[in-house]
Amino acid sequence: DIVLTQSPGTLSLSPGERATLSCRASQSVSNNLAWYQQKRGQAPRLLIYGASSRATDIPDRFSGSGSETDFTLTISRLEPEDFAVYYCQHYIITSPRTFGQGTKVEIK
Amino acid sequence: QVQLQQWGAGLVKPSETLSLTCGVYGESLSGYYWNWIRQSPGKGLEWIGEINHRGYTTYNPSLESRLTMSIDTARNQFSLKLMSVTAADTAVYFCARVGVISGFSFDQWGQGTLVTVS
Repeated sequence: DIVLTQSPGTLSLSPGERATLSCRASQSVSNNLAWYQQKRGQAPRLLIYGASSRATDIPDRFSGSGSETDFTLTISRLEPEDFAVYYCQHYIITSPRTFGQGTKVEIK
Repeated sequence: QVQLQQWGAGLVKPSETLSLTCGVYGESLSGYYWNWIRQSPGKGLEWIGEINHRGYTTYNPSLESRLTMSIDTARNQFSLKLMSVTAADTAVYFCARVGVISGFSFDQWGQGTLVTVS
């Protein structure tokens, strides 16, 4: 299985600051990578697919970049509702879909 | 707007079968793949498997020997059965849609069901 490693484990930032989250794949996934946001007690919500395309109704302060094995999710200016856990996930057809272990973005 | 609503037993005895169903509202089952995903503190988010409207399935090899997914197009719902459960199967189980437009990612999710094996 493809292993997705996210860093850092926790990011402590203030509202208005920029958040940069990393996801590294153990082998190439091309651009078949998605990012999700999960708040306590809720299901994950799709933010980014195809490594860089925003999902429906996702604000433009969220952006994704990268390809092959190295990916980044950037939140340009943190809003209070952005403090949550973020997961990356690949969807290469030839391998079971897997998720990263998550990055928690917390209020500093 | 599509909605996924899931239901099933929240407490299952060891060695018995976990059963969950996900109803899809506001959208036909055709043209999409319908998935189950679970989340536990120890293993994080784990993809379980998927099924399409014709009943074609793909399972996670780690669970395949205990897993059955089925679909009922007349009722617009799909189901999961996981046999011979142990405490390691305790998790929040989610149903989710793979959206073709959104690059085969999970674009719609059910509310989640906590299943405890005890």
